[in-house]
Amino acid sequence: GENVEQHPSTLSVQEGDSAVIKCTYSDSASNYFPWYKQELGKRPQLIIDIRSNVGEKKDQRIAVTLNKTAKHFSLHITETQPEDSAVYFCAASRVSSASKIIFGSGTRLSIRP
Amino acid sequence: ETGVTQSPTHLIKTRGQQVTLRCSSQSGHNTVSWYQQALGQGPQFIFQYYREEENGRGNFPPRFSGLQFPNYSSELNVNALELDDSALYLCASSVQGAEETQYFGPGTRLLVL
Repeated sequence: GENVEQHPSTLSVQEGDSAVIKCTYSDSASNYFPWYKQELGKRPQLIIDIRSNVGEKKDQRIAVTLNKTAKHFSLHITETQPEDSAVYFCAASRVSSASKIIFGSGTRLSIRP
Repeated sequence: ETGVTQSPTHLIKTRGQQVTLRCSSQSGHNTVSWYQQALGQGPQFIFQYYREEENGRGNFPPRFSGLQFPNYSSELNVNALELDDSALYLCASSVQGAEETQYFGPGTRLLVL
């Protein structure tokens, strides 16, 4: 069945350094890839998304890349700050097909001061 | 914060009981999806409602059912509760046929004893 694998499960980086989270998906028909940030006890919040007609998208310190051939996509956070500490989820879905989102298992990102 | 609301925020039930959770979608959104998030895991798709009908279902048994109302709000019903049903239940609203980005509500934390 459809599956999204996410690595690493935990990540600790020094404040100011970059963090990279990687995901792979199994459904080759997936064409929409959102990333969500979830702080403790709060709802998942969309931080950035990318569609299959684009290879890269950037929003300030956050960027996502997509390799459709390899079915890989990644989240890059530069100049990390303490408020970046949270659990990050990658996800994949087929737009216009009941739009169910398949989530990865999450990465707990900790920013060391 | 998104305009998606859920009630109640917390709920304690005993095994075998039934529960109803509620979700109000963001203004202008016509689709509601429900997810179950167990502790330390990513959200798992339960089902989606569009035009008051179920529009896709994940790997959940029939004792998980739902409704969508003309104002696009939705209910999730779970019968014959089991201990493993203890989780955070999230709803997400979106616009079918448009961007379809899903925005999550704050969730209902259900504990089954």
